Amino acid sequence: EPEVTQTPSHQVTQMGQEVILRCVPISNHLYFYWYRQILGQKVEFLVSFYNNEISEKSEIFDDQFSVERPDGSNFTLKIRSTKLEDSAMYFCASKSTATNEKLFFGSGTQLSVL
Amino acid sequence: QKEVEQDPGPLSVPEGAIVSLNCTYSNSAFQYFMWYRQYSRKGPELLMYTYSSGNKEDGRFTAQVDKSSKYISLFIRDSQPSDSATYLCAMIRNTDKLIFGTGTRLQVFP
Repeated sequence: EPEVTQTPSHQVTQMGQEVILRCVPISNHLYFYWYRQILGQKVEFLVSFYNNEISEKSEIFDDQFSVERPDGSNFTLKIRSTKLEDSAMYFCASKSTATNEKLFFGSGTQLSVL
Repeated sequence: QKEVEQDPGPLSVPEGAIVSLNCTYSNSAFQYFMWYRQYSRKGPELLMYTYSSGNKEDGRFTAQVDKSSKYISLFIRDSQPSDSATYLCAMIRNTDKLIFGTGTRLQVFP
C-alpha cells in the first residue's frame, strides 16, 4: 500500500538552528499538509499546500516556518531559527483531490530542540 | 468552549468487549467527521469518515454522527488487544484543515 514517508524519524537540534523536515507524499497526491503534535497535546494543523503555493496556514505557522516542493516528489518544512517550544512530532500528510477526505499521514519526525 | 472535546481516557476493557468512543463539538459548520487510530510514536491512520448524520459500518467499526446534538461516536465490536491505541476524532469545516480532538487512549487486555 502506498504511504507517506518522512525523514529523519528523529532530529535533535540546538535552539536557534535551522532544520528541514522532509516528506515524500504519495505519488499521485496533489494536496500536502504539515501538522504537529506536542507531547501530550492534540494534533494541530500548520499549513496546507497545493499547486506550489500555500492554501491555508495556522497562527502557529509564522515567519520562521516555510514549506517547499523542490521537485516532483519531496515536500519540506523549514524552521529557520528553532525555539524550545518547537519541540514536537511533525506529521506530513497528503491526499489526492480537494474533495477526498482520505488524508494519509506519515509516521512523523520527532524534533527535539535543546 | 473548545471546538472539539474528547475524553482522554484511558479506557481499559477486556478482549471481546464493545467499546464506545465519543466526541462533542461546538461548531455546526463542521461537515465531515473522521476517526483516526494512532499507535505510539506513529502517524494517525484513517479508520472511518462520514458526512451525514446516521451510522456507517466497516467490519467491527461503526461510526455514528448526530448533527443535531453535535455528537459523534465510534463503536468497536469484539475488541482485540491489537485495537489498543489512541483514537482521535477529527472534523472539517468549510476549509481544508482537520480539527482534532485530544484523543482517547484505549487499552484492550486479554
